[in-house]
Amino acid sequence: DQQVKQNSPSLSVQEGRISILNCDYTNSMFDYFLWYKKYPAEGPTFLISISSIKDKNEDGRFTVFLNKSAKHLSLHIVPSQPGDSAVYFCAASDGEYGNKLVFGAGTILRVKS
Amino acid sequence: DTAVSQTPKYLVTQMGNDKSIKCEQNLGHDTMYWYKQDSKKFLKIMFSYNNKELIINETVPNRFSPKSPDKAHLNLHINSLELGDSAVYFCASSQQTHSGRLYNEQFFGPGTRLTVL
Repeated sequence: DQQVKQNSPSLSVQEGRISILNCDYTNSMFDYFLWYKKYPAEGPTFLISISSIKDKNEDGRFTVFLNKSAKHLSLHIVPSQPGDSAVYFCAASDGEYGNKLVFGAGTILRVKS
Repeated sequence: DTAVSQTPKYLVTQMGNDKSIKCEQNLGHDTMYWYKQDSKKFLKIMFSYNNKELIINETVPNRFSPKSPDKAHLNLHINSLELGDSAVYFCASSQQTHSGRLYNEQFFGPGTRLTVL
């Protein structure tokens, strides 16, 4: 049973435009959410996170939005750059001791120049 | 100056063999993890150790035995390898605290691609 879902396997965007990656979750105990970026043959790299007490968090070109009632979060990348082309994983935690992360299946982002 | 390192990067072996994957972190973190990324690309947690103590064990077959000699190392030993063990295994680390619920990002190693023939 997938508790974190990324329903779009891939997304293609023109350089300079906005990339929007979506993530849905089912477990209402999740209260901390993270986005990771992964290049081929490398480990995931932390990108940005958001706590459930917020609905938005920004870091440079990256903004994460959280809609708790819809159990939905999204990652916005503006402007998109070719170097952003990677697999993006959404992850969630219920904050319990152990900090277990539950990951989605990932979305492949391709930014075309 | 790699933060989380794993060896080997690739491992090809026959069914029934025993193999180990090593992980080291130089971030001073007190918690380390093993994740498995299967053919469907899902990253799933297997184990977590905090200060050398096992705190998460996600119904992994007992052929898998993690060992943490110290806070900076978490090795994964796999006995009697099976075809279904073929996957990419990622080690990660983070800093936990005990002051209530705390959220910290995990830092991942480059992964070990295990192929069982």
